[in-house]
Amino acid sequence: QKEVEQDPGPLSVPEGAIVSLNCTYSNSAFQYFMWYRQYSRKGPELLMYTYSSGNKEDGRFTAQVDKSSKYISLFIRDSQPSDSATYLCAMKEEGGSEKLVFGKGTKLTVNP
Amino acid sequence: SAVISQKPSRDICQRGTSLTIQCQVDSQVTMMFWYRQQPGQSLTLIATANQGSEATYESGFVIDKFPISRPNLTFSTLTVSNMSPEDSSIYLCSVVMLGGDEKLFFGSGTQLSVL
Repeated sequence: QKEVEQDPGPLSVPEGAIVSLNCTYSNSAFQYFMWYRQYSRKGPELLMYTYSSGNKEDGRFTAQVDKSSKYISLFIRDSQPSDSATYLCAMKEEGGSEKLVFGKGTKLTVNP
Repeated sequence: SAVISQKPSRDICQRGTSLTIQCQVDSQVTMMFWYRQQPGQSLTLIATANQGSEATYESGFVIDKFPISRPNLTFSTLTVSNMSPEDSSIYLCSVVMLGGDEKLFFGSGTQLSVL
């Protein structure tokens, strides 16, 4: 079993839809959880950064962490065509190494 | 966040040659890393670039193939040596900012194609 599993999609939704992106993981030592957005031919851009369990909201984006289930989610409300990108989840352990473990990414297309 | 400039942005190279990728940050960072992003694969850490000393390589990556320099806090280079088509990938510089909450930021990447 890979450390981080993420459905690569592709996922296609109409404009205005609520999008749910998910990752599961196996390492219970992960404490920091991130979502990156990557547009075509660009580097990943940090979107959400959370520590431990719970929810974090930033505008149309909500990140959820359920450590008991080893499951994280990113919700996008009122999705826009400009949200079309690949979304990468990433996580790391507390203390010591800065090494992040990434999912493979989910490619999202929001159709106008 | 910082401005992380990476160049070249893309290149097409011949088998057996080498390419050096540069990463310049506009403010001081604590840590610099090099990642590889192959099609359909997760971002994979190649090495941690250490200022003034040898880089720390991850399993599966060696200095002879991927020599790295970091002469100061804001600049690093990654060389892909003796290239083969299997080295075709996106190479990304990433940094943790000084006083920056341990968040990792990425450059725009170098798209490398080896013929």
